[in-house]
Amino acid sequence: TQLLEQSPQFLSIQEGENLTVYCNSSSVFSSLQWYRQEPGEGPVLLVTVVTGGEVKKLKRLTFQFGDARKDSSLHITAAQPGDTGLYLCAGEGGGSNYKLTFGKGTLLTVNP
Amino acid sequence: EPEVTQTPSHQVTQMGQEVILRCVPISNHLYFYWYRQILGQKVEFLVSFYNNEISEKSEIFDDQFSVERPDGSNFTLKIRSTKLEDSAMYFCASSSQGMNTEAFFGQGTRLTVV
Repeated sequence: TQLLEQSPQFLSIQEGENLTVYCNSSSVFSSLQWYRQEPGEGPVLLVTVVTGGEVKKLKRLTFQFGDARKDSSLHITAAQPGDTGLYLCAGEGGGSNYKLTFGKGTLLTVNP
Repeated sequence: EPEVTQTPSHQVTQMGQEVILRCVPISNHLYFYWYRQILGQKVEFLVSFYNNEISEKSEIFDDQFSVERPDGSNFTLKIRSTKLEDSAMYFCASSSQGMNTEAFFGQGTRLTVV
């Protein structure tokens, strides 16, 4: 069974601070996706990383896939209150297994 | 921007009743999925569907569950005899390809079994 552990579970910071959240597993994933989820809504895709060591940037968000494709990180620079939300990572197992295994998420609160 | 749409947004049903949750995936997508999220817990895979058949299902997806793509646009999840523990948000998702492709999720249906 593939598991994804996200840390921290909760993070409360002040506007303007930088932060990093982590997504770790003992399993190798063929790709890893980061989502943001608002209360009562579906996950909204932010980015997909596929290649080990890959780095993708989305404005102030930087995503990295570990070299061994077992872990990933999301770094936010100069966080804003609009960044508040639940950040989920989800790994795809590869082969004919297209299902996503989700982590429990990091609930980020950015205080003005 | 194309999106996955789900109906209804909320469904309340009595234990033992059948429910059908409906989804319209993104039109050119070929792979379809159902996930669920019990309140306060992580999103869990239920089933994937491709080429008019189930390609994979989880242990949660027992004989009470079934999926169908009746008309080439809708993708439905049926729960035959609901249980209290079926109460959850149910998310439909679709992707254009299988491996290493982006899955887009609908807004979800909140199912409450009473």
